[in-house]
Amino acid sequence: SQQGEEDPQALSIQEGENATMNCSYKTSINNLQWYRQNSGRGLVHLILIRSNEREKHSGRLRVTLDTSKKSSSLLITASRAADTASYFCATAYAGGTSYGKLTFGQGTILTVHP
Amino acid sequence: NAGVTQTPKFQVLKTGQSMTLQCAQDMNHEYMSWYRQDPGMGLRLIHYSVGAGITDQGEVPNGYNVSRSTTEDFPLRLLSAAPSQTSVYFCASSNNAGYTFGSGTRLTVV
Repeated sequence: SQQGEEDPQALSIQEGENATMNCSYKTSINNLQWYRQNSGRGLVHLILIRSNEREKHSGRLRVTLDTSKKSSSLLITASRAADTASYFCATAYAGGTSYGKLTFGQGTILTVHP
Repeated sequence: NAGVTQTPKFQVLKTGQSMTLQCAQDMNHEYMSWYRQDPGMGLRLIHYSVGAGITDQGEVPNGYNVSRSTTEDFPLRLLSAAPSQTSVYFCASSNNAGYTFGSGTRLTVV
């Protein structure tokens, strides 16, 4: 079964609003990563947060990690129509080769209306 | 810098046929993986490799073989295609950071 579960499954907002997506996982991890996928395309890596980090920023992206709750959130601030995509979290197990084996959640479909 | 190159982009197979999906990366990445993506299922790991000569199974390995004879190449072999293997296949590589994905192979088995 997949490690990560994302919530919500779909999110629809207006341009300029913030979008928050959540990810929960089941086992101890070395790191958690977020990816974006535009329709019909490959995935693009957005940000990686390690298990000893609590928050990370990259441009309009803010990721938090709570290892005690086994959860992470991705916040996109001041969203744009171009942010419309599917967003996936992926986890690297603590017991395995850190970066060799990633397990993905089912994703959140974000739609940003102009 | 081409990144991760997958070929072919599209393929139609008949049940029982075999084929190899090619994946090559030019970034000298140690880690390479194959995923399949089905509607509503996210990405599921088929096989992965942590270096040349080392491979391991992922979540859904049955019906697929891999080998890693060089750092650059990580082909995925379908032994005897089945309709259940109709999917979009992604190859990805990494070097202790986020993964770089190829553009995918859309496979239909009829």
